[in-house]
Amino acid sequence: NAGVMQNPRHLVRRRGQEARLRCSPMKGHSHVYWYRQLPEEGLKFMVYLQKENIIDESGMPKERFSAEFPKEGPSILRIQQVVRGDSAAYFCASSSPGQGARDYGYTFGSGTRLTVV
Amino acid sequence: DQQVKQNSPSLSVQEGRISILNCDYTNSMFDYFLWYKKYPAEGPTFLISISSIKDKNEDGRFTVFLNKSAKHLSLHIVPSQPGDSAVYFCAAVYGGSQGNLIFGKGTKLSVKP
Repeated sequence: NAGVMQNPRHLVRRRGQEARLRCSPMKGHSHVYWYRQLPEEGLKFMVYLQKENIIDESGMPKERFSAEFPKEGPSILRIQQVVRGDSAAYFCASSSPGQGARDYGYTFGSGTRLTVV
Repeated sequence: DQQVKQNSPSLSVQEGRISILNCDYTNSMFDYFLWYKKYPAEGPTFLISISSIKDKNEDGRFTVFLNKSAKHLSLHIVPSQPGDSAVYFCAAVYGGSQGNLIFGKGTKLSVKP
């Protein structure tokens, strides 16, 4: 039973390019959360999605960032026109309906480390 | 404005002794607290959680204590092992929220043989 799969593990982009980060949740999980970890910081919530729905995007920057979780395929976090400040580790977590963080915590992927040069 | 604070960036402990990691919070609306362990280049791994209506939860070598009046929680690891060396994150969940986690900045634990 594969865990939460994120790819790529490392991504280098030049300023102004687009970055696409992918997250495949654990089998049977239909809820996906994206978190960002800046250097020397804790993880910060970005967005919570269910299949084909954005439930809470209160942590997403207002511009350049978007997320989707289509009916088929992985969840995608998209960053347009990247800037150096976007360099961070981006983690995805998944859960099944009714299985909240309160009881089991979430299962996190290994993250994508984005470097903007 | 940091709502979950881990004021010790690092902690060094001898193998076999107790490790105590501390966490303070400011928001009384948090109803659940969790501890995660993170190795370099990996995602956080859930360790243990505690509801705000309890003051203690134990799982093997790991015990979490919650002092609501002080808005303080701690994770005790007994006995500490070299494999416990990692960064430990405290996280909290708002009551009634979708379950979004609010993380502290982490404490790096080093357990020396």
